[in-house]
Amino acid sequence: SYVLTQPPSVSVAPGKTARITCGGNNIGSKTVQWYQQKPGQAPVLVIYYDKDRPSGIPERFSGSNSENTATLTISRVEAGDEADYYCHVWDSSSDHHVFGGGTKLTVL
Amino acid sequence: EVQLVESGGGLVQPGGSLRLSCAASGFTFSSYWMSWVRQAPGKGLEWVANIKQDGSEKNYVVSVKGRFTVSRDNAKNSLYLQMNSLRAEDTAVYYCAREQQVYEFDFWGQGTLVTVSS
Repeated sequence: SYVLTQPPSVSVAPGKTARITCGGNNIGSKTVQWYQQKPGQAPVLVIYYDKDRPSGIPERFSGSNSENTATLTISRVEAGDEADYYCHVWDSSSDHHVFGGGTKLTVL
Repeated sequence: EVQLVESGGGLVQPGGSLRLSCAASGFTFSSYWMSWVRQAPGKGLEWVANIKQDGSEKNYVVSVKGRFTVSRDNAKNSLYLQMNSLRAEDTAVYYCAREQQVYEFDFWGQGTLVTVSS
């Protein structure tokens, strides 16, 4: 089965740039989504189709996807960005959705 | 406004059964694939199952195949998850989510907690 690998945690100072990676075999050939989840809340879609933002998501959130790594980039990080972030793909070879293990973003 | 409201969670003994429901509103329910996604306490997200618009196709994660059944009633704008032979490791918050064109989950319910324990 397809596996997505994320770092367990990333720390960043306010105003700086956070980068959260999602590794997978030839993930560049798939479309990647990213979700933000705050404690006690349902996940919220922040990036879809590798780099597109749903309405209401700040431009500070961006995504990229190439070869074996997809990246969620959060510019000018704010305290309110502190959350768990999950990457997600559809694996057409198994007809399964797959999530990464999640990354806890801490704003110092 | 799109809304997804789950219900039916609770405490159940190992080996027992439970049926979850998800009431959808604010969109044309019959036009979308729908999924169930779960999250064990303190753990990450795990996709459980999905179902095509007309119910003709269903997919399941290996760990629930043969025990869980996803279904829908488009006339009632409702999604269901019948869970049988429940195990302690099925303990989780269960979310229903709408699937969009490139497989993204663009709307999620608030979740319902299922606890499997004796």
